[in-house]
Amino acid sequence: GEDVEQSLFLSVREGDSSVINCTYTDSSSTYLYWYKQEPGAGLQLLTYIFSNMDMKQDQRLTVLLNKKDKHLSLRIADTQTGDSAIYFCAESGVRNFNKFYFGSGTKLNVKP
Amino acid sequence: GAVVSQHPSWVICKSGTSVKIECRSLDFQATTMFWYRQFPKQSLMLMATSNEGSKATYEQGVEKDKFLINHASLTLSTLTVTSAHPEDSSFYICSARDELGDTHFSNEQFFGPGTRLTVL
Repeated sequence: GEDVEQSLFLSVREGDSSVINCTYTDSSSTYLYWYKQEPGAGLQLLTYIFSNMDMKQDQRLTVLLNKKDKHLSLRIADTQTGDSAIYFCAESGVRNFNKFYFGSGTKLNVKP
Repeated sequence: GAVVSQHPSWVICKSGTSVKIECRSLDFQATTMFWYRQFPKQSLMLMATSNEGSKATYEQGVEKDKFLINHASLTLSTLTVTSAHPEDSSFYICSARDELGDTHFSNEQFFGPGTRLTVL
């Protein structure tokens, strides 16, 4: 089946940039997503990218997609303590775009 | 808008009992809801797709007689863990698509806060 992998932890200082990486195996992925999960809350969609795009920028967030290497990254500029959370990447494919495959999540810790 | 709630947020039960978890879309209608299971430090695993007014579609390896899903209205889906055992202890998360909404990405799934189930 499809496999989505992420590193488990990332620690940065406030004001620095954070880069969270994700790799996936399904070459037919249509959409790739980044979700944020704060304690006690549901997953919140941060951004998504369609598979025919290389980059997408939305305020402090930049998503880079390397389709050849099946590598997705999320860059958070000027990271704030409020950005501390678990970040999940996910993908859905052309066969069933409702079916999401999630990575294990990267816990981002922002130190003041 | 597009809020999904779950109830209860946590539950502890004895082995052999059944537990019902509710998933509600609070401000939109959802013909399709999804149930996920999340183990500690692991990814969310899709268990089943809940379809309003029809049978749920279960993923491979998920026992449909063990995890009963009912989607009786456009705003409510329930997951019942029958004859629960300690290995069923997990974090259960539901999500829903706002298929009629036109203000955001149409493929977005809105997630509930999750239900922590502990079976003793």
